[in-house]
Amino acid sequence: QVQLQESGPGLVKPSETLSLTCTVSGGSINIISYFWGWIRQSPGKGLEWIGSIYHTGSTYYNPSFKSRVTISVDTSKNQFSLYLSSVTAADTAVYYCARPVGYGSSYYFDYWGQGTRVTVSS
Amino acid sequence: EIVLTQFPGTLSLSPGQRATLSCRASQSVSSSYVAWYQQYPGQPPRLLIYSASTRATGIPDRFSGSGSGTDFTLTIGRLETEDFAVYYCQQYGRSGVTFGQGTRLDIK
Repeated sequence: QVQLQESGPGLVKPSETLSLTCTVSGGSINIISYFWGWIRQSPGKGLEWIGSIYHTGSTYYNPSFKSRVTISVDTSKNQFSLYLSSVTAADTAVYYCARPVGYGSSYYFDYWGQGTRVTVSS
Repeated sequence: EIVLTQFPGTLSLSPGQRATLSCRASQSVSSSYVAWYQQYPGQPPRLLIYSASTRATGIPDRFSGSGSGTDFTLTIGRLETEDFAVYYCQQYGRSGVTFGQGTRLDIK
């Protein structure tokens, strides 16, 4: 059974970079055919896919975030990370890591972390 | 970007009744790439259905999905108390991933 767990600061100042890490257990992040992704949920915008990464490092980003987002993977630690720059109050949300099933930028999500709440405030 | 509109926004039903939740896309979803999720407060979404009509592992057969093109439906055959939650549709066609705004299923 694959499990995902998000970690990172719960409070980020405006204009700074939000950094979160997802640790995968119960399976290798190197599993062929699987991507690993980030989704957020806020009262204002609902659920939004942010982006996904393959274990080789290939990434796919939601165009709405593309200029501000970077997702990286560390296979030695079985982790992948989200970096979102120049944050504003609009980036306040619960951030989930999840396992996409599909390819490219076309997938559904079968395993989800519990989510971590991030607030952007000075 | 494909916009998904779910209706009704809130559905109030009693245990044992049948629930029909709708999801309409702003343009046709390729290959019926639509998924449905259930979410309880404070919990992550749980995958119920993918490819419009395929139940995910461990999902009871009272949950069924149907539809194609721009109109998709999640049906819950006989409601049990644990089914009262928020439900989201998601499309994953060629235009990337987007989610609907959700339907809240309340106990009447």
